[in-house]
Amino acid sequence: EVQLLESGGGLVQPGVSLRLSCAASGFPFSSYAMTWVRQAPGKGLEWVSGITGFGGSTHYADSVKGRFTISRDNSKNTLYLQMNSLRAEDTALYYCARPYSNAYFDHWGLGTLVTVSS
Amino acid sequence: EIVLTQSPDFQSVTPKDKVTITCRASQSIGGNLHWYQQKPGQSPKLLIKYASQSISGVPSRFSGSGSGTDFTLTINSLEPEDVAAYYCHQSSTFPQTFGQGTKVEIK
Repeated sequence: EVQLLESGGGLVQPGVSLRLSCAASGFPFSSYAMTWVRQAPGKGLEWVSGITGFGGSTHYADSVKGRFTISRDNSKNTLYLQMNSLRAEDTALYYCARPYSNAYFDHWGLGTLVTVSS
Repeated sequence: EIVLTQSPDFQSVTPKDKVTITCRASQSIGGNLHWYQQKPGQSPKLLIKYASQSISGVPSRFSGSGSGTDFTLTINSLEPEDVAAYYCHQSSTFPQTFGQGTKVEIK
C-alpha cells in the first residue's frame, strides 16, 4: 500500500526557514517523480514544486522560486522541501503527492501545516 | 504559466441532479487535464485522468470530456456524499497549475 507521510510543519515567524519531509513507502520511490502541493486555509490547491525520480530536474511555482528548494534522498525514501525567507502568504497545509507518469496525482499524503506569523 | 479557470465557483444542487463543471485553459494543453475531489477535512482524491479516462473505484456517475482548452466534469445524478470541492489540474507544462475550485453543496 502506498503511503506518504509529511512532517516538519509548525508555527514560525516571517523570514525564518523550515524544512518539510515526506516519508514514502509501498512503492519503488526512485522510480517516481514527486511533488509538493499546498492549500492555504479555506483556499484552493496550489502546485508548489516537483522533482524527477533521481533528482536531476526540479521545477517551482513562481511564488516560491528562489526561496524554496525541493530535494530527495532515495536511500531513505524521503522527499524534502527546504523553505527559506518564509512569508505570511506561505501559510498553508503542505501535501506531498505522487505523480503517476509525471502526470496525475494518484496518491496524496495527509499534509503538514505551516503557519507563518509574528 | 497556464491559467485554469473553473466555472462556476459554487453550485447548490438537489440530490439526483446533474452537475456540470467546466475548466478552461489559457492555452492548449491537449488532454493533459485531470480532475480531483476534495471532501471537507480530507486530502484530494483523483476522479478523472487525461480529461476523460475513468479511475478504478470511482463511481460511474463521474465522467469527463474535452481537449485543447475546454474541459468538463459531469456528475450524473448527484449523491449526498458528492458534497465536495472539485479541482482541475494540468500536467502539460511546468509550472503545473490547478483551477481555483468549484464547491458543490446540497440544497
